[in-house]
Amino acid sequence: KAGVTQTPRYLIKTRGQQVTLSCSPISGHRSVSWYQQTPGQGLQFLFEYFSETQRNKGNFPGRFSGRQFSNSRSEMNVSTLELGDSALYLCASRLAGGPSTDTQYFGPGTRLTVL
Amino acid sequence: DAKTTQPNSMESNEEEPVHLPCNHSTISGTDYIHWYRQLPSQGPEYVIHGLTSNVNNRMASLAIAEDRKSSTLILHRATLRDAAVYYCILDFGNEKLTFGTGTRLTIIP
Repeated sequence: KAGVTQTPRYLIKTRGQQVTLSCSPISGHRSVSWYQQTPGQGLQFLFEYFSETQRNKGNFPGRFSGRQFSNSRSEMNVSTLELGDSALYLCASRLAGGPSTDTQYFGPGTRLTVL
Repeated sequence: DAKTTQPNSMESNEEEPVHLPCNHSTISGTDYIHWYRQLPSQGPEYVIHGLTSNVNNRMASLAIAEDRKSSTLILHRATLRDAAVYYCILDFGNEKLTFGTGTRLTIIP
């Protein structure tokens, strides 16, 4: 079974631009979560989608948004990019979400650099 | 959210057991204890999880204190491939994992 895939793997943008990152979960997984990882703040939770609905949200500004499609694939969008948005963006999928026996499987991440 | 505390770094010799500690004194009764690790240039990888009883799988063992205020991840025989940052996380089932700073494990050949 294929793992979580993220595209693109690397991205360079300039301040003020917007970016869209894509995540394909493991087949059959319906929950997709997004995380931001930076050297200073570590891994921080952005949001989680289940059955095309956002179920949980972290403490990030409204410039960060996401959506999930009927096939469980998810996209994350960042508008008006700032230098501080440079980070590794990780996507994780799990089967259904809710019970804590449900393991999250992470993708390799998208490395975003904002110049 | 309940917090976890881990040492910033640890070293171990290759082929020896490694005990990675984690303190979670504010854990609630429904929090599961999860361990993930992140190898260089990769996303985090699930290692093991448990609620109250000690757990074993092919990767590691998890020893949970009787009061559940601390736990220890045990790698029985460390290899160079085990060099990673290990995260101890409390998961109360709301799909949001709160990662701490983790423990950077260095394996000495």
